[in-house]
Amino acid sequence: QVHLVESGGGVVQPGRSLRLSCAASGFTFSNYGMHWVRQAPGKGLEWVAVVWYDGSRQNYADSVKGRFIISRDNSKNTLYLQMNSLRAEDTAVYYCARDPRPPGYFDYWGQGALVTVSS
Amino acid sequence: EIVMTQSPATLSVSPGERATLSCRASQTVSSNLAWYQQKPGQAPRLLIYGASTRATGIPARFSASWSGTEFTLTISSLQSEDFGVYYCQQYNYWPPLTFGGGTKVEIK
Repeated sequence: QVHLVESGGGVVQPGRSLRLSCAASGFTFSNYGMHWVRQAPGKGLEWVAVVWYDGSRQNYADSVKGRFIISRDNSKNTLYLQMNSLRAEDTAVYYCARDPRPPGYFDYWGQGALVTVSS
Repeated sequence: EIVMTQSPATLSVSPGERATLSCRASQTVSSNLAWYQQKPGQAPRLLIYGASTRATGIPARFSASWSGTEFTLTISSLQSEDFGVYYCQQYNYWPPLTFGGGTKVEIK
């Protein structure tokens, strides 16, 4: 069965960097687009970024453009989110999610990784 | 950016009753709309895609329809496990992909 497991969350100071990973299993990772979606504490869902199945294309929300980089390693079945110049407003649970028709909808989600940006 | 507006913000329903959730798009998104359910402390779960197609394993009591820019999710007979927050999401215009603010379905 499809399994997505995020890791790399934690507490980080404003202005610093953090990298999230999402390990995928149970499906052919290289056939699917992948996204990061975040949820601030007590708030709704916000799409962050998408990477195409082959890594050839990426798109970002304006709120993270120029600071975050989404990438993937299909040989390792792993998705990444490099987060630079972090701000307090980036504090959220970050979910990786699979997309059968990028950009589209999210048919499987990981359990999430909490990122807290605080001094 | 397409703005998705969900109503009501909170819906109080007794088990066994019908629940109707609404989602409106700021402009046409065709049938490129999905619905998700999220329970506290859990990741969202896909319920509906293509505006009306149930995802794998979703019970038949969940149905969805649309007309123009108005989308509706109906739970025909609410079960205890159906309580949570429901989000709609459009994928017709991007970036960005956008979600509604959510409807919380709670026990009456």
